[in-house]
Amino acid sequence: DADVTQTPRNRITKTGKRIMLECSQTKGHDRMYWYRQDPGLGLRLIYYSFDVKDINKGEISDGYSVSRQAQAKFSLSLESAIPNQTALYFCATSEQWDNSPLHFGNGTRLTVT
Amino acid sequence: GQQLNQSPQSMFIQEGEDVSMNCTSSSIFNTWLWYKQEPGEGPVLLIALYKAGELTSNGRLTAQFGITRKDSFLNISASIPSDVGIYFCAGRWQAGTALIFGKGTTLSVSS
Repeated sequence: DADVTQTPRNRITKTGKRIMLECSQTKGHDRMYWYRQDPGLGLRLIYYSFDVKDINKGEISDGYSVSRQAQAKFSLSLESAIPNQTALYFCATSEQWDNSPLHFGNGTRLTVT
Repeated sequence: GQQLNQSPQSMFIQEGEDVSMNCTSSSIFNTWLWYKQEPGEGPVLLIALYKAGELTSNGRLTAQFGITRKDSFLNISASIPSDVGIYFCAGRWQAGTALIFGKGTTLSVSS
C-alpha cells in the first residue's frame, strides 16, 4: 500500500549497531503498528500506538523501542542490534475504531551480521 | 498470550482446484480477518468478519466467522496461478487490543 511508506526497504548492519526503521503514512489514520515477520512464525506484534501520546508493547518488544513523532510517523529502533533480529519488519496503520482493518507498508528487510 | 492456530502450513494444488484453510483459537475472538501476502509486499486485506456466523464472499474467496467465535475458515474456489502467496488469518480478542496473526498458509498453484 503506497500510502504507508517504510524506509529503508533493505538494510544490512553489524551486531551492536543502533538502527532506526521509519514509517510514514498519508492515510490520516490514528493507529500505527510495528510487526516482525519470520519464516514459519507469521507476523508478531512489536509495538503499537493508538495516537500520538500512546505507546503500547506488543508480544515481542524486548530489544526494541519506538517513537511516535507525529500522527503520520512511527519509527522503530534497535538500540543494539543482534543477529536474531534479522527479519522482515512491517509497519501498519488503521483507523480509530476497533474493527478497522490494518493497512501494511511493503516492509523493511533487516539483516544483522 | 492469545494465539491463533492456522492450518495447513502449506498447500500444493493444481490450477482449478478448490482450497480450504482455517484458523482456530482457544479464546473467543470478536473480529476475524483474512490477509494475503505476495512476495516483496505487505499483507493485503481480503475479507473482514465481525459477527459470529457471518459468511462473506469476495470474488472466488469465501470466509466464515465460526458460530463459537473460536474459528474461521477461508475457501478459494477454482484456483488460478495468481492465487499463489501466503494467507494469514488475524483476530482481535478484546476491544482496544491489536490484531494477532496466525503463522500463515503458503499456497502454491501449478498450471
